Amino acid sequence: EMQLVESGGDLVQPGGSLRLSCAASGFTFSDHYMEWVRQAPGKGLEWVGRTRNKANSDTTEYAASVKGRFTISRDDSKNSLYLQMDSLKTEDTAVYYCVCDCRYWGQGTLVTVSS
Amino acid sequence: DIVMTQTPLSLSVTPGQPASISCKSSQSLLPSGGKTYLFWYLQKPGQSPELLIYDVSNRLSGVPDRFSGSGSGTDFTLKISRVEAEDVGIYYCMQGTQLPLTFGGGTKVEI
Repeated sequence: EMQLVESGGDLVQPGGSLRLSCAASGFTFSDHYMEWVRQAPGKGLEWVGRTRNKANSDTTEYAASVKGRFTISRDDSKNSLYLQMDSLKTEDTAVYYCVCDCRYWGQGTLVTVSS
Repeated sequence: DIVMTQTPLSLSVTPGQPASISCKSSQSLLPSGGKTYLFWYLQKPGQSPELLIYDVSNRLSGVPDRFSGSGSGTDFTLKISRVEAEDVGIYYCMQGTQLPLTFGGGTKVEI
């Protein structure tokens, strides 16, 4: 069974950093594009960024709101996806989901940016 | 960026009755010679979103056949032929044709 499990969410001060992880199982991770999508409390869904698959050189793309502050990476040998978040702002407070091929979602991990 | 506009914002339905949600994109989701990447998700209360429909009209395996998607170009529709109590939640459309991926604002369905 395909499974995505995010971890690493926490309370962090503005300007701080945090690294989220997503552990994948039940499918060939390296074959798939992976996305990060976030949802601020009580709000809708916002795409954060993407990493393409090995066949497409694991290239990454980012939303304008996070470009230059967030970095997506993947380790296909560990079936894992990462989101390094630096220079965090209060508006980055959200549940962060990892998503496979726009189809399968994890349960999410909560990031709270507050002083 | 492609703007996705969903209507209505909310929908109160009677079990057994049909329901319909509209999603319009600010530009065509069909690139020349390509596929239309339009997705529909349902986020049930307290849960993460789950995919219902991909590529406009394809139901994900295991999704009940009371859900159907249709449309082309800039106008898309999700229909529920007979709403059941378990269908409550917020429905989102999303375009995957062009980056950044963008979502509609959501339609809350209540019984």
